[in-house]
Amino acid sequence: DTAVSQTPKYLVTQMGNDKSIKCEQNLGHDTMYWYKQDSKKFLKIMFSYNNKELIINETVPNRFSPKSPDKAHLNLHINSLELGDSAVYFCASRATSGGDTGELFFGEGSRLTVL
Amino acid sequence: GNSVTQMEGPVTLSEEAFLTINCTYTATGYPSLFWYVQYPGEGLQLLLKATKADDKGSNKGFEATYRKETTSFHLEKGSVQVSDSAVYFCALSGGTSYGKLTFGQGTILTVHP
Repeated sequence: DTAVSQTPKYLVTQMGNDKSIKCEQNLGHDTMYWYKQDSKKFLKIMFSYNNKELIINETVPNRFSPKSPDKAHLNLHINSLELGDSAVYFCASRATSGGDTGELFFGEGSRLTVL
Repeated sequence: GNSVTQMEGPVTLSEEAFLTINCTYTATGYPSLFWYVQYPGEGLQLLLKATKADDKGSNKGFEATYRKETTSFHLEKGSVQVSDSAVYFCALSGGTSYGKLTFGQGTILTVHP
C-alpha cells in the first residue's frame, strides 16, 4: 500500500495549458507539502497545508494554486504553463501532532515537461 | 533564516571506498538534522536523523553525528556499494512544529564496480 501517492507520474503538455497534479496520503498525517525539484536536483518548498489550512506559501507565481479538500489530500493546479515550470513535483506528508519526529514522507514525484 | 550547505558533487567512487559528504547548517535554536536519499526515478526517503547535539544517526552502514560546535552533520560510510549510487540530501527542521524542512542542494554519488 503506497503511503504517499501522486498522479500522474508523467505529464507532457504545451505552453499555456492548465494542468493538475493530485496527491493522497494514507498515513493519517495532518500536514502536507509540495516541493519542486529542478534539473540540478535542487529541492524548493512551494506550499504546506496543516489540516486543510495553508501554512506555508513560498514565493511562487500565483499561476500555482494548491487545494486541500481534506487532510489526506493536497492537489496542485497550474495555470498558463511556462517552459520554466518543467520539473519534478514532490508531494510529502508529516505528522506534526502526537509526537512530531520531523520526518517527511515523500511521494514518487510527478515529472512535468512543458513544450 | 535556516540554511543547509552540502559539498558540491558529483562524487564518483569505486566500490568499497570510504565516503564522506560534508554538510553544514545555519539555524536558530536547536534544529533536528536529517539525511535523505533519492534513488534514480524515486522519491526521497529518510536515511538517518539526529535530534540533538552529539546524537549519532545510523542506518544501512551510513552514519552522521550532530556537531553543534561546528554546525555540521557529515555523512560517512566505510565501504560503499554500487547500490548506494543516489542523490543524498542533508536537511534540517527547526522552529515551529509546522515548519518546513530545509534541504541542502543535494550531492550526486556514483559508485563504480
